[in-house]
Amino acid sequence: QAVVTQEPSLTVSPGGTVTLTCGSSTGEVTSGHYTHWFQQKPGQAPRALIYDTTNKHFWTPARFSGSLLGGKAALTLSGAQPEDEAEYYCLLYYSVVRVFGGGTKLTVL
Amino acid sequence: QVQLVQSGAEVKKPGASVKVSCKTSGYTLTSNYIHWVRQAPGQGLEWVGIINPSGDSTTNSQKFQGRVTVTRDTSTNTVYMELSSLRSEDTAVYYCGSDHFDYWGQGTLVAVSS
Repeated sequence: QAVVTQEPSLTVSPGGTVTLTCGSSTGEVTSGHYTHWFQQKPGQAPRALIYDTTNKHFWTPARFSGSLLGGKAALTLSGAQPEDEAEYYCLLYYSVVRVFGGGTKLTVL
Repeated sequence: QVQLVQSGAEVKKPGASVKVSCKTSGYTLTSNYIHWVRQAPGQGLEWVGIINPSGDSTTNSQKFQGRVTVTRDTSTNTVYMELSSLRSEDTAVYYCGSDHFDYWGQGTLVAVSS
């Protein structure tokens, strides 16, 4: 089974910009992996932010965006807010099987 | 509006099986997939499996090696996830989720302990 890798932790200053990445052990991440991004705060269920690499749900704040960058999927947060401090997970599609990354703990400090 | 409501917490002994339900409303099972995801205490998310809109195809993570069975009952709009041969490391909150994960169940804690 493929392994999906994310940065274990990142820190961003309030108002700053940070990019979280999502890589695959099988090689380059492409649009065919239909990358999803999720935000999870302590004690809460995950909330979907991005689907199919770049598409936002209607509730996704405009400061979040998804892309492909340097062979990986990327989630960019522009203008970080204190409420963005959370764990972020990516999910990649491998044909019919899906695999989550290990998560990135984002600190806004 | 769409709602996914899961069954209550379960405590099971090692070797037993558990069946978690996910009752949907406002969400047409015959047109959409349902995923199952779990999260062990203090750990990350883990994709468990999926059932297709026709209900005739399911796919599970290789990690479970045939221990997971996902089924559904369209008459009650309910999807089930059964996990057999339970071990302590199966202790987790199990979530059902919609096609693009835009809707989630509230989660069901399955605790495995002797």
